[in-house]
Amino acid sequence: EDQVTQSPEALRLQEGESSSLNCSYTVSGLRGLFWYRQDPGKGPEFLFTLYSAGEEKEKERLKATLTKKESFLHITAPKPEDSATYLCAAVTSGTYKYIFGTGTRLKVLA
Amino acid sequence: NAGVMQNPRHLVRRRGQEARLRCSPMKGHSHVYWYRQLPEEGLKFMVYLQKENIIDESGMPKERFSAEFPKEGPSILRIQQVVRGDSAAYFCASSRGTGGNTEAFFGQGTRLTVV
Repeated sequence: EDQVTQSPEALRLQEGESSSLNCSYTVSGLRGLFWYRQDPGKGPEFLFTLYSAGEEKEKERLKATLTKKESFLHITAPKPEDSATYLCAAVTSGTYKYIFGTGTRLKVLA
Repeated sequence: NAGVMQNPRHLVRRRGQEARLRCSPMKGHSHVYWYRQLPEEGLKFMVYLQKENIIDESGMPKERFSAEFPKEGPSILRIQQVVRGDSAAYFCASSRGTGGNTEAFFGQGTRLTVV
């Protein structure tokens, strides 16, 4: 069965303390790996798409990377406004639906 | 360039009533997905539609739930005879192309409360 697992479930960082979020996927042929940010009471906001192992994407303090089994979201020198739940999703070659992990709740303290 | 529009944002229904949730995709997008999210849980796939076609409804309960995406107008998720367990946030997403080939953008969701 296709599955996406995210860790840790929750993460507290001090402002400026860099860290990484993990997204492991077990799918039958990856079509694409997607990262989203979700704030409380709002819909997920698209961040990145990764299609093949070795690919990297960057946006401000965030950098997403992809291997054949997992993806990482690296947060460099985070700020309190980076606090949110970060979701990853995989789309497999056998279907078209986005399979989401349960997310990592990030809290950045000033 | 308006994003994905969902309405209503909040919906309260009594047990046994019908709930109709609407989703207008982004301009130029012909693919729509519906997801359900319970508190502290991830997004659960329900159904994937293209204009006038249901492509994958494997995540949608067989009873009481239906979805459509007509040639004109918004996509509709319909829940008949709602029960307390249907209370959740329902999110719609749209994409320009086939799932996985392009990004899916989400609306702000409809929060359904069944009393």
